[in-house]
Amino acid sequence: ETGVTQSPTHLIKTRGQQVTLRCSSQSGHNTVSWYQQALGQGPQFIFQYYREEENGRGNFPPRFSGLQFPNYSSELNVNALELDDSALYLCASSLSPHGEQYFGPGTRLTVT
Amino acid sequence: SQQGEEDPQALSIQEGENATMNCSYKTSINNLQWYRQNSGRGLVHLILIRSNEREKHSGRLRVTLDTSKKSSSLLITASRAADTASYFCAQNTGTASKLTFGTGTRLQVTL
Repeated sequence: ETGVTQSPTHLIKTRGQQVTLRCSSQSGHNTVSWYQQALGQGPQFIFQYYREEENGRGNFPPRFSGLQFPNYSSELNVNALELDDSALYLCASSLSPHGEQYFGPGTRLTVT
Repeated sequence: SQQGEEDPQALSIQEGENATMNCSYKTSINNLQWYRQNSGRGLVHLILIRSNEREKHSGRLRVTLDTSKKSSSLLITASRAADTASYFCAQNTGTASKLTFGTGTRLQVTL
């Protein structure tokens, strides 16, 4: 157990809808990173939040957005869902932007 | 896009044997990390090796890094059935703690 929690565990949405995924970081960690993992692939970096500010972004369109709250928990929002958004979404928290990352169990999103 | 590649894609060994997985990457790194993932669940951090380190040990794990060849290897000694999982290498590059993962090696350890 890493102390990083994610909700919900599973989610089914329809194409065009919007979704919000949540992540609670490990106590004392001020950095949260989000990753998308398609079936059979390695995780791909979406973005990172450090002290409530975006601190780096991967090659994802603007309809992927995020927030980090004062308690360092975080949300990932995806608008206008597409079928290819179906994946396991992982968040990871760390003590600092370059620190060791501790991953949560993930949210499996299915878009139909 | 994936920056690195693990080799082999799949590996099947018997309990007690050693398992070696290799990772190649394309750009300069701050550090390289190895993770394990069981059945599409969360990733478990195994070991981190910095760009100025050449070898690191942790229990039954041994990681080497060759920055001139942009490659790393993970050795699991005396493997157990519980080691069955997918193993990923991930490179930390840039100012953010962005990790760039490879496609993984699926390890199957049989009794």
